[in-house]
Amino acid sequence: EPEVTQTPSHQVTQMGQEVILRCVPISNHLYFYWYRQILGQKVEFLVSFYNNEISEKSEIFDDQFSVERPDGSNFTLKIRSTKLEDSAMYFCASNLRGGISYEQYFGPGTRLTVT
Amino acid sequence: AQSVTQPDIHITVSEGASLELRCNYSYGATPYLFWYVQSPGQGLQLLLKYFSGDTLVQGIKGFEAEFKRSQSSFNLRKPSVHWSDAAEYFCAVGEKEYGNKLVFGAGTILRVKS
Repeated sequence: EPEVTQTPSHQVTQMGQEVILRCVPISNHLYFYWYRQILGQKVEFLVSFYNNEISEKSEIFDDQFSVERPDGSNFTLKIRSTKLEDSAMYFCASNLRGGISYEQYFGPGTRLTVT
Repeated sequence: AQSVTQPDIHITVSEGASLELRCNYSYGATPYLFWYVQSPGQGLQLLLKYFSGDTLVQGIKGFEAEFKRSQSSFNLRKPSVHWSDAAEYFCAVGEKEYGNKLVFGAGTILRVKS
């Protein structure tokens, strides 16, 4: 069964460093998402992406964040200068079509630890 | 603002016992409601969803959920829990007017004792 994959599973970085989190969505999906979950808190929406453009973003997704689909398979989240509060589990998701009625398939997450 | 509350952080049930996980939402219009499960090291897997129609929805793994508009609730139930059901369960809500994003609750960790 097709699945969303994410690498790495765990990333440790120092404050101020840039990190890139990678996701491979399901191959025929067209809509891509990033969510994050700070330890002990809710899963929060960060951004959605379609047709090589951001279609929606949350207040969390400030200028330190960017997303890119550099090729036909990968979908990346870049944090330009990490802060301690960026430590969280980051989930990538994708679905075939947009619209809330279409299931979003989630990856296993990348745990980012900023020291 | 949209919000989802899962009042129980942890629940422990005996194997074979029934289960109910609570979820309350705050929404202006008709919500789209979801339950996801996350096992350790795995992604979030959709258990079931409600958009309209019959308020009792059936999902995978023997789970069901009932939408009660008057109580703004969408509680997840299972008549007989198996040890493999131990996981974290997330209730989520979406709304067409707010695009495709899902708003999640904080999750409930289910422990199953034998």
